Amino acid sequence: KQEVTQIPAALSVPEGENLVLNCSFTDSAIYNLQWFRQDPGKGLTSLLLIQSSQREQTSGRLNASLDKSSGRSTLYIAASQPGDSATYLCAVPNTGNQFYFGTGTSLTVIP
Amino acid sequence: GAVVSQHPSWVICKSGTSVKIECRSLDFQATTMFWYRQFPKQSLMLMATSNEGSKATYEQGVEKDKFLINHASLTLSTLTVTSAHPEDSSFYICSATKTSGPYEQYFGPGTRLTVT
Repeated sequence: KQEVTQIPAALSVPEGENLVLNCSFTDSAIYNLQWFRQDPGKGLTSLLLIQSSQREQTSGRLNASLDKSSGRSTLYIAASQPGDSATYLCAVPNTGNQFYFGTGTSLTVIP
Repeated sequence: GAVVSQHPSWVICKSGTSVKIECRSLDFQATTMFWYRQFPKQSLMLMATSNEGSKATYEQGVEKDKFLINHASLTLSTLTVTSAHPEDSSFYICSATKTSGPYEQYFGPGTRLTVT
């Protein structure tokens, strides 16, 4: 069974700092990897989807990379803002199209 | 776009009653929908996979008689929590995939269930 781990569990940074969130998975036979953000008490907002054939995806200040062979993905957030404060989740689907979610990283950006 | 809605957004019910939560894909057809639950400060845990016109597949440890799932059409799946107990209080989130790949899931806004 796929296991997805995220490090760190919590992160607090001053506004303007660049930061990296890490996601690792045990089974490298993935179709894609998706990064989400979740605000307290809310649903999930999809940030980036990386196909298994891709190495990275960018959207605005966000850049996600994928290294299937090592079972790792990183989410890079440039010039962090207080509005970026949320929990960030990575998820990978298995062959049955079921998602396995990571444990999440709770990010706080201090103004 | 790919919008998924859930109704209600929050519900409070008494112990022993049943609650139905709806999940709808508003602008696409979804052959597969998923139901997750999330406890405070924890990640999402998959409860079941719902395919249109067939029985849902439940994850290990999820009681199928307690969490009834119906996927009657390509745009609607329902989760009914039967004989709810306080320990069923949680955040329930559904997601849906489009009939065509690439297996990207679109999530609903979630339903907060509180059982008193």
